[in-house]
Amino acid sequence: AQSVTQPDIHITVSEGASLELRCNYSYGATPYLFWYVQSPGQGLQLLLKYFSGDTLVQGIKGFEAEFKRSQSSFNLRKPSVHWSDAAEYFCAVESGSGNTGKLIFGQGTTLQVKP
Amino acid sequence: GAGVSQSPSNKVTEKGKDVELRCDPISGHTALYWYRQSLGQGLEFLIYFQGNSAPDKSGLPSDRFSAERTGGSVSTLTIQRTQQEDSAVYLCASSRTSGGGPYNEQFFGPGTRLTVL
Repeated sequence: AQSVTQPDIHITVSEGASLELRCNYSYGATPYLFWYVQSPGQGLQLLLKYFSGDTLVQGIKGFEAEFKRSQSSFNLRKPSVHWSDAAEYFCAVESGSGNTGKLIFGQGTTLQVKP
Repeated sequence: GAGVSQSPSNKVTEKGKDVELRCDPISGHTALYWYRQSLGQGLEFLIYFQGNSAPDKSGLPSDRFSAERTGGSVSTLTIQRTQQEDSAVYLCASSRTSGGGPYNEQFFGPGTRLTVL
């Protein structure tokens, strides 16, 4: 069965420091992968997505992610974190069953930013 | 344009009562999804609509849960005889067409926080 694992439940970084959030997936074929961000009281906002082609994808707010098939990973990175990046981050894979487009999410990583 | 809206934003109910949660998707979006976000289970898929039909209801946790969509637009998620374990944030998303893929980004609403006492 398809699944997504985010090993880090909570991460704290200092403002201006670099960030990497980990995501591992289990999927039989080439996956469609996503990173979403959820700020308190808000819905999910798409940061970036990978479908094919270049394995390094750029997203909004200065985020990027790299698809590594050999490691079944899709880690999210940002070179310099801002206080406004504090939020919960979800990695997701599009389910391949039934051609519905439904998403399977990881458990989420809460990012705290220290001043 | 307007995004996905959900109402109410918060709902507190007593165990055993029925509740209805509403989702207004982005105008013209044919696909609609319901997800549930809870502390113990994370974000889970509940049901998918293609137009007014629901070809995938596999995520509904019990027969107390049902959903409908009318006019290819508004959707209502109904929970009958609510239990405390139903307490969660219920998120709705819509996408332009069905079937997922690179051109069908899901846009999420702000959610309805349901608390069952």
